[in-house]
Amino acid sequence: DAKTTQPPSMDCAEGRAANLPCNHSTISGNEYVYWYRQIHSQGPQYIIHGLKNNETNEMASLIITEDRKSSTLILPHATLRDTAVYYCIVRVARGSTLGRLYFGRGTQLTVWP
Amino acid sequence: SAVISQKPSRDICQRGTSLTIQCQVDSQVTMMFWYRQQPGQSLTLIATANQGSEATYESGFVIDKFPISRPNLTFSTLTVSNMSPEDSSIYLCSVVAVEQDAYEQYFGPGTRLTVT
Repeated sequence: DAKTTQPPSMDCAEGRAANLPCNHSTISGNEYVYWYRQIHSQGPQYIIHGLKNNETNEMASLIITEDRKSSTLILPHATLRDTAVYYCIVRVARGSTLGRLYFGRGTQLTVWP
Repeated sequence: SAVISQKPSRDICQRGTSLTIQCQVDSQVTMMFWYRQQPGQSLTLIATANQGSEATYESGFVIDKFPISRPNLTFSTLTVSNMSPEDSSIYLCSVVAVEQDAYEQYFGPGTRLTVT
């Protein structure tokens, strides 16, 4: 079962920041928070991941609360091409369960012009 | 990053028949997996494809229905056997690769299967 909770849908104006929340209150100490997105009819694409510190890459920023029970994915300047389903997943970084991801329903982000 | 290709990209099949989906990776990977995404649903893990041994199936999936092969570190097949309309889904291959001392996971483009 997915260990995360996300709002089913959100929308955002093009050029504005999109902030996608995720609750993972039962996260274990050795589990990371990963974000993937799936653009219609394509395979999921990795976005970013983190353990407890905030992370930033060329695609997005990830803000993880101090208690690690929730996080927010930030797309700083959303474009129409960012319209997709965004999945927040908790997983271990190593070990026998690696790769066995349990996807929730995700958040359908719609960016409008 | 690992580049994954799947064949076929889509197919329409009659009930009762079987379809074999191929997954090819451009580099040797540590792990390979098969996922299913039914219409309007999220992804569900079917099994872990183990090289040289039987696949490890998740609850609700069995070898007779979804036989899997993985003859080497870059290739795997998933067969959907004795298909019914309920098997209409996107089937995705996924791999875990080691990059810069970290494990990264990638997904293929998927195979869209429609069973009539």
